[in-house]
Amino acid sequence: QKEVEQNSGPLSVPEGAIASLNCTYSDRGSQSFFWYRQYSGKSPELIMFIYSNGDKEDGRFTAQLNKASQYVSLLIRDSQPSDSATYLCAASAAGNKLTFGGGTRVLVKP
Amino acid sequence: GAVVSQHPSRVICKSGTSVKIECRSLDFQATTMFWYRQFPKQSLMLMATSNEGSKATYEQGVEKDKFLINHASLTLSTLTVTSAHPEDSSFYICSARKDTSHTEAFFGQGTRLTVV
Repeated sequence: QKEVEQNSGPLSVPEGAIASLNCTYSDRGSQSFFWYRQYSGKSPELIMFIYSNGDKEDGRFTAQLNKASQYVSLLIRDSQPSDSATYLCAASAAGNKLTFGGGTRVLVKP
Repeated sequence: GAVVSQHPSRVICKSGTSVKIECRSLDFQATTMFWYRQFPKQSLMLMATSNEGSKATYEQGVEKDKFLINHASLTLSTLTVTSAHPEDSSFYICSARKDTSHTEAFFGQGTRLTVV
């Protein structure tokens, strides 16, 4: 059973709209959570991380964490065609290892 | 963010040969480095975790004698694919973390390995 789950998509959003991505995790020991963006043929790049319940905003991105419900989400405001990519959610428990979800492919249409 | 450099970015090798991939943290000391493999349209699969000065911890199903990992210093880890076969062709990516407390992992650029 996968420990971090994401909808594979594709999630299609019009340019300028909000893209909402969700991620659930099964390990209650997970302490830190990360969102990465990966363009085709490239390695992942970190968007943001969160480890406290609530919202964390960075520019057009907002991460939300709800430990009681074991889910993490990422909102992308004012979506641009350059945001089209696969978004990977990752969770880290004690022991330092990051566990990745399968990724959600986002397609922003002009 | 911190910089992790991976080399080479692409390599083509013949079946039966070995290939070494380097991963360097350029502006921080990485207590832990991770090696991943990614097949087309699939997610990252963790192969092993390496800590400086100790043996790597391999994930289930990963052959440690085939994928040799060395983490000789706090800024360098290497992955050697020994006796490569076409099925080893994949995208190999390393990442590094500064420490264990909430810090993010930074990824290298990845290495596209093609075994012919």
